[in-house]
Amino acid sequence: DTGVSQDPRHKITKRGQNVTFRCDPISEHNRLYWYRQTLGQGPEFLTYFQNEAQLEKSRLLSDRFSAERPKGSFSTLEIQRTEQGDSAMYLCAVGGTQYFGPGTRLLVL
Amino acid sequence: AQSVTQPDIHITVSEGASLELRCNYSYGATPYLFWYVQSPGQGLQLLLKYFSGDTLVQGIKGFEAEFKRSQSSFNLRKPSVHWSDAAEYFCAVGAGGTYKYIFGTGTRLKVLA
Repeated sequence: DTGVSQDPRHKITKRGQNVTFRCDPISEHNRLYWYRQTLGQGPEFLTYFQNEAQLEKSRLLSDRFSAERPKGSFSTLEIQRTEQGDSAMYLCAVGGTQYFGPGTRLLVL
Repeated sequence: AQSVTQPDIHITVSEGASLELRCNYSYGATPYLFWYVQSPGQGLQLLLKYFSGDTLVQGIKGFEAEFKRSQSSFNLRKPSVHWSDAAEYFCAVGAGGTYKYIFGTGTRLKVLA
């Protein structure tokens, strides 16, 4: 147990639909990160929060992606108008030494 | 630009044999280095980390890694592999002010009984 839960664990959606993922740290962490991992690759950084402030976004985070951390605790990642290329595992991590949640696997049909 | 290279995509070893997974990094400053393990369909579990000090670091599950600045390497080792070690292993460097991680492409370990 890494102290980070992610919901849902799996999501299948049709192209063009919107999806939202949630990351819940069990204990307080100032730092929260989102990564995306495609098949056969290592995780790639998407965005970083320091408390509720989104301080860095990767160029991978297109306009269709938005992330929030409204109270500095849980975080959500929304993808609008999903595309097949969005199919991946979305990982949340917390802490200075990053502890990862189990991930949300997205499949876009 | 920062980068991490894991030269071996797949490695197969027999149970009980020793293991070394290679990792090379490119980073301008003193790096923060990590090894993670990932079982199929799961998140990443931290094995060990290097920030400073002793260049040989011990981790969980009997793993260790050695930081060699002159070779820009941070290789992971285990003296005797168990069948349960079969998984994918990722090396990462912590970069920039936000300490986002840059990962290698991973090495998939297969263990023969």
